[in-house]
Amino acid sequence: EADIYQTPRYLVIGTGKKITLECSQTMGHDKMYWYQQDPGMELHLIHYSYGVNSTEKGDLSSESTVSRIRTEHFPLTLESARPSHTSQYLCASSEEAENTEAFFGQGTRLTVV
Amino acid sequence: ILNVEQSPQSLHVQEGDSTNFTCSFPSSNFYALHWYRWETAKSPEALFVMTLNGDEKKKGRISATLNTKEGYSYLYIKGSQPEDSATYLCASRWYGNNRLAFGKGNQVVVIP
Repeated sequence: EADIYQTPRYLVIGTGKKITLECSQTMGHDKMYWYQQDPGMELHLIHYSYGVNSTEKGDLSSESTVSRIRTEHFPLTLESARPSHTSQYLCASSEEAENTEAFFGQGTRLTVV
Repeated sequence: ILNVEQSPQSLHVQEGDSTNFTCSFPSSNFYALHWYRWETAKSPEALFVMTLNGDEKKKGRISATLNTKEGYSYLYIKGSQPEDSATYLCASRWYGNNRLAFGKGNQVVVIP
């Protein structure tokens, strides 16, 4: 069982609310990622970080923002949620070495009404 | 964004039967291929990370092969069991792009 945790698992929230999705890992990994997945579609990378104070946009444009103040913590924030943000969000981490597997959290299923 | 294609998108397999499915990816500048198993209500878990042409890897009844020249990988499940029911994700990396690109997955349902 991977030591990477996401909270909440499910979230239903109204339009315009600010939300933060939490992701924490206890493996000491420098690399962390956020993926977004819509039903029947691929996982798309929206943010990644290669260490503390390092964050980059991924391949899919997203209105969310991330921060990496501590190695183990990589939260994702939506300042003003909209129905178009309804999706599943997966957090992952990996070791610094190339070609190592990614460890995933269980995901947060977000519904904005 | 480089595309990774998986086929078939879903399949039903009788318990005890063997099955396989395909992951296709652009072969130019290929760097690595990952397979993950994603069971419902759980996290995706890594099965294999493969880099070399002709690579074959095995974990229990599940095995995978890699052809980097033509850009495909096969995943095989031998003697399918109900616990093999899951979505199998394929992801690839290329030189000059240090992120994984995922396919849509192969959803497998094993019928007892």
